[in-house]
Amino acid sequence: DIVMTQSPLSLPVTPGEPASIACRSSQSLLHGDGYNYLYWYLQKPGQSPQLLIYVGTHRAPGVPDRFSGSGSGTDFTLKINRVEAEDVGVYYCMQGLQTPLTFGQGTKVEIK
Amino acid sequence: QVQLVESGGGVVQPGRSLTLSCTTSGFTFSSYGIHWVRQAPGKGLEWVAGIWHDGSKEIYAESVKGRLTISRDNAKNTVFLQMNSLRVDDTAVYFCARDSGGVGGIMGPDIWGQGTPLTVSS
Repeated sequence: DIVMTQSPLSLPVTPGEPASIACRSSQSLLHGDGYNYLYWYLQKPGQSPQLLIYVGTHRAPGVPDRFSGSGSGTDFTLKINRVEAEDVGVYYCMQGLQTPLTFGQGTKVEIK
Repeated sequence: QVQLVESGGGVVQPGRSLTLSCTTSGFTFSSYGIHWVRQAPGKGLEWVAGIWHDGSKEIYAESVKGRLTISRDNAKNTVFLQMNSLRVDDTAVYFCARDSGGVGGIMGPDIWGQGTPLTVSS
């Protein structure tokens, strides 16, 4: 199975400041079609997860442009350009290259 | 709009069986794979099972293989998760989620339901 490792696991943030979360996979997520099958989700308190980024760099519909995804192969980053209070929650990366699909441990983002 | 609504959770004794349902609307159901993902209390997300858009293939996490069965009824826009020989460590909120890959195969979830809680306890 592909192991997904996120860092940090806890991230206190200041509104208006940037923030970033790293995700590393135990195998390359680069498919022969040129896409990295890496997804980012945000689970806000008391809610179900919502898709932020798909295939590494593409923002899902309705996701604010302050969120961006980068990386390729085994190393990926989610960046929040200017954190807002509504961005608190747990962020997960997930690989969709092979089954079983596997998630990172989650990064809890909270306001300082 | 796209909606997935889970039902069927509750409290059940170890060793018993239960079936969860995921009723969908707002999209062409037969063109999308569907996943079940669970979240134990206070824990992270764990992918459990997936089924192809046409029901031709099912995939499972090792931890549930042989005990859980995913199926779908494309006429009723519904996916099921039959759960047998339930264990205490199956206690979790169970989410169903649409796959983003369409007929291209299983890739990763995009739209999620609100989840249904299951407690396995004597």
